[in-house]
Amino acid sequence: EIVLTQSPGTLSLSPGERPTLSCRASQSVSSSSLAWYQQKPGQAPRLLIYGASSRATGIPDRFSGSGSGTDFTLTISRLEPEDFAVYYCQQYGSSPYTFGQGTKLEIK
Amino acid sequence: QVQLQQSGPGLVKPSQTLSLTCAISGDSVSSNSATWNWIRQSPSRGLEWLGRTYYRSKWYDDYAVSVKGRIIINPDTSKNQFSLQLNSVTPEDTAVYYCARRGAAGTFDFWGQGTLVTVSS
Repeated sequence: EIVLTQSPGTLSLSPGERPTLSCRASQSVSSSSLAWYQQKPGQAPRLLIYGASSRATGIPDRFSGSGSGTDFTLTISRLEPEDFAVYYCQQYGSSPYTFGQGTKLEIK
Repeated sequence: QVQLQQSGPGLVKPSQTLSLTCAISGDSVSSNSATWNWIRQSPSRGLEWLGRTYYRSKWYDDYAVSVKGRIIINPDTSKNQFSLQLNSVTPEDTAVYYCARRGAAGTFDFWGQGTLVTVSS
């Protein structure tokens, strides 16, 4: 099973800032099969990024993903108020499909 | 647009069976490109994939080791839905349960609304 470790656990920032979220895998993720999800309280996770760097339908271009192998990054170019949420990475290259423990983006 | 609508009880007694259903609209449970999954979320275990059912000329299923032996995921083609049965539940099975489609790109692209299931007497 691939273990995903996200850092930091919590990020306290202000609107307009540029956060970088990290996801490290315990072994190489095949074919860059790495996704990022956003989750707000009381809602299901929403797919943001797939294939490590491709934005899902309807996702603003301020969200970008990068990385390969075992190290992946999600960057938000300029934080909007609606971006404060919890972000999860997930690998779908091999079963069981696993998630990171999440990074909470909170308003400073 | 795919929509997944979950139904089922929010309270289950210890040792009993947790049963949830996920009704699909905008796609087919018999799709040859999608798989139909159950995922749960709890403070102690985070997001945990539980298993899937899918059709590729015949029906297949696949379960997480953590729940294998206690779980069944079944398709219902007549109602275009799929179900989760988790047997012999304990308080550790208390979680929000989600159904989700894994689409052709491989990601969980559509999710149900979530059902909080509490295991308690």
